[in-house]
Amino acid sequence: QQQVKQSPQSLIVQKGGISIINCAYENTAFDYFPWYQQFPGKGPALLIAIRPDVSEKKEGRFTISFNKSAKQFSLHIMDSQPGDSATYFCAATASGGYQKVTFGIGTKLQVIP
Amino acid sequence: ETGVTQTPRHLVMGMTNKKSLKCEQHLGHNAMYWYKQSAKKPLELMFVYNFKEQTENNSVPSRFSPECPNSSHLFLHLHTLQPEDSALYLCASSQASGQFNEQFFGPGTRLTVL
Repeated sequence: QQQVKQSPQSLIVQKGGISIINCAYENTAFDYFPWYQQFPGKGPALLIAIRPDVSEKKEGRFTISFNKSAKQFSLHIMDSQPGDSATYFCAATASGGYQKVTFGIGTKLQVIP
Repeated sequence: ETGVTQTPRHLVMGMTNKKSLKCEQHLGHNAMYWYKQSAKKPLELMFVYNFKEQTENNSVPSRFSPECPNSSHLFLHLHTLQPEDSALYLCASSQASGQFNEQFFGPGTRLTVL
């Protein structure tokens, strides 16, 4: 059972465009939502994270939007660059079990010049 | 570099072999993790160790046997594996506490079971 549904699985965006990755969850106990970025040959690395008490969090060109009532959240990459080409994972975890991170299936992003 | 190293980076083994994966963290963390990453599937948490004690076993088959001799080292002993066990095995570490702590991942061991 996929507890965090992520889409699309692959995405091609032109340089300078906006990349959008969407995730949805069902477990209402989730209260922390990190995003990870993974380059080929490397392990995932934490990119940005959000708690459901805020609707948006921005760090540089990366923004998380959160809709608690719809149980959906998304990652927006503004002014996408070829160096952003990587696989992005949304994830969720819950208090009392923060070490058990539930990951989405991943989105392979390719930014073309 | 994340401060988490894994060896070997690539491993090919037969179904009757016994091999071990090694992970070492240089971050002073006290929690360590094994994950399995397969194509078209979410990362799967396999084991969690806190202060050398196993605190999570996510219904992993007994052909995978973890060992954590100290907070800096983590091993995954493999025996009698199946072809479907072929995957990227990732190690991670973090501080252990009641709040979310960033997990730092190693580059993984690409395992192929013939």
